[in-house]
Amino acid sequence: ETGVTQTPRHLVMGMTNKKSLKCEQHLGHNAMYWYKQSAKKPLELMFVYSLEERVENNSVPSRFSPECPNSSHLFLHLHTLQPEDSALYLCASSQVRETGGEKLFFGSGTQLSVL
Amino acid sequence: AQRVTQPEKLLSVFKGAPVELKCNYSYSGSPELFWYVQYSRQRLQLLLRHISRESIKGFTADLNKGETSFHLKKPFAQEEDSAMYYCALSLLPYSGAGSYQLTFGKGTKLSVIP
Repeated sequence: ETGVTQTPRHLVMGMTNKKSLKCEQHLGHNAMYWYKQSAKKPLELMFVYSLEERVENNSVPSRFSPECPNSSHLFLHLHTLQPEDSALYLCASSQVRETGGEKLFFGSGTQLSVL
Repeated sequence: AQRVTQPEKLLSVFKGAPVELKCNYSYSGSPELFWYVQYSRQRLQLLLRHISRESIKGFTADLNKGETSFHLKKPFAQEEDSAMYYCALSLLPYSGAGSYQLTFGKGTKLSVIP
């Protein structure tokens, strides 16, 4: 598949589990993002990796831990989540340029349910 | 801090009727504005950006700095336009720090009635 691929598509986990979400982009972009999409809130940026720099949203709890081993892969490690963390987690990528923002390409998302 | 407001959670129009999806923003500097769309069972994707001044699928949006608005318009709605629409803002001038963030509105669900 071309573009941005996320696995798994669906994940159900208990509050004591450890799981990881995976994202892979095949677009040659230099920036990758994790967004959280909840039913009653706007899309929330969680983390950005861009030009090997991580920009972190200060409001993200430590139970979410990102990892970006290279420019094509992005992980979100999950540990001791809460039921309110249930949401759609979207990965995106873009080509960051100094001249301005470039459009984001989104994956299909991982629908996470925390029991 | 910047904020994007989409006042309508749901907008229903008849096929062939004009459509206007409202978006207002608050930001003290010069923003770049986008509209993203999510059709049923498809991923979120860019529809258009103000800097390109383009028309995509018959939609246009003009940045009005005086009213801090970026409303999305289409003169004649089609059934295939039914989707979730998100207005988003990024900051200019570009920080140059290698990072770039989009602030999204809550979205408006457009339903086109046949």
